[in-house]
Amino acid sequence: AQSVTQLGSHVSVSEGALVLLRCNYSSSVPPYLFWYVQYPNQGLQLLLKYTSAATLVKGINGFEAEFKKSETSFHLTKPSAHMSDAAEYFCAVSDQGALTFGSGTRLQVQP
Amino acid sequence: ETGVTQTPRHLVMGMTNKKSLKCEQHLGHNAMYWYKQSAKKPLELMFVYNFKEQTENNSVPSRFSPECPNSSHLFLHLHTLQPEDSALYLCASSQDPAVSGNTIYFGEGSWLTVV
Repeated sequence: AQSVTQLGSHVSVSEGALVLLRCNYSSSVPPYLFWYVQYPNQGLQLLLKYTSAATLVKGINGFEAEFKKSETSFHLTKPSAHMSDAAEYFCAVSDQGALTFGSGTRLQVQP
Repeated sequence: ETGVTQTPRHLVMGMTNKKSLKCEQHLGHNAMYWYKQSAKKPLELMFVYNFKEQTENNSVPSRFSPECPNSSHLFLHLHTLQPEDSALYLCASSQDPAVSGNTIYFGEGSWLTVV
């Protein structure tokens, strides 16, 4: 079975600082990987998706993620945090069509 | 607007009640899903329907009963629930779960509180 692990349940950054949210995957086959964001009292919104076309994937709201096979990682980054980025972020791997999610990382952005 | 609409958004029910959650997708997808999101636990896949047929039941207790009358509608019937079933229930849809990397789109969820 495929799985993802998110390191750090809470991350706090200052507005304008780099955002780095970590995700490592475990998969016996080339994985399809996703990042979703959940704002308070809302469902999950797709940020970006890795499908093996390119190792650097650009998503919405200025986020991007880089697939590194040697490190089994798919970390999410954004060069400059904005207050509106405060939310919970979920990494997920496609597992026979459905998604298996990590436990989530709550991002706080300090003014 | 995500294309996946869930009602009600909030539901409070007693342990002896029967209630239902409803989900409708306007994306022309063939597959629909129920996920459960509890505090301090990862999202849990509950059920998958593909072309109205249930293709996965992730060891969900029988007090949760899904129904998928067509590819656009999905229900979750709730009966004699326990307080620990209080959670956010997320409905989702996708084009085809048999396709690797198929993207899943989520509704805004139904907050369920069992008292």
